[in-house]
Amino acid sequence: SAVISQKPSRDICQRGTSLTIQCQVDSQVTMMFWYRQQPGQSLTLIATANQGSEATYESGFVIDKFPISRPNLTFSTLTVSNMSPEDSSIYLCSVQLSFYGYTFGSGTRLTVV
Amino acid sequence: DAKTTQPNSMESNEEEPVHLPCNHSTISGTDYIHWYRQLPSQGPEYVIHGLTSNVNNRMASLAIAEDRKSSTLILHRATLRDAAVYYCIPLAMNTGFQKLVFGTGTRLLVSP
Repeated sequence: SAVISQKPSRDICQRGTSLTIQCQVDSQVTMMFWYRQQPGQSLTLIATANQGSEATYESGFVIDKFPISRPNLTFSTLTVSNMSPEDSSIYLCSVQLSFYGYTFGSGTRLTVV
Repeated sequence: DAKTTQPNSMESNEEEPVHLPCNHSTISGTDYIHWYRQLPSQGPEYVIHGLTSNVNNRMASLAIAEDRKSSTLILHRATLRDAAVYYCIPLAMNTGFQKLVFGTGTRLLVSP
């Protein structure tokens, strides 16, 4: 299985600012996934990031709000832009190494004040 | 995506068996049934998966109904560490990458 390191683990941000979350994997992977988990809720997929191409966003999520970079096969960033209190959530990245080999990072707990 | 229905929460005592049900009546014939769990303050982790036959691994057992419209995750002896939210997720088996779509899951509470 892969080991995923997410940074920062938590942050408190002012509304109107942006935060970039980093996801580092210890092995090369083709696809990386970004999820949001709102307080007390399940995980919702934001987008799928393939190295060398633009991310594919799920319904309800747009690139202007959640720009994603995928510069190589071991790294990705998710930016939460122009934040509001409604963006307070846990953001998680995930990779798939095999059919049952989905691995998740520990998440970034974001609080917007 | 096939829809799943799970109880919101279940309770168990430590060292007792736990049976976590999942209804997936609209599952496709080629969808595997995956189970993931999310421990407090952690990302989800893989538990087990199966297609038609019952499956066992070191973490749990998976019992799949003959019509595949439901399945049950079995923890043979619950421990405090098993307190988590458990998700059943139908997932198609093909050569492309699949995205995990999480339902609401079952929150398992384990008492000493």
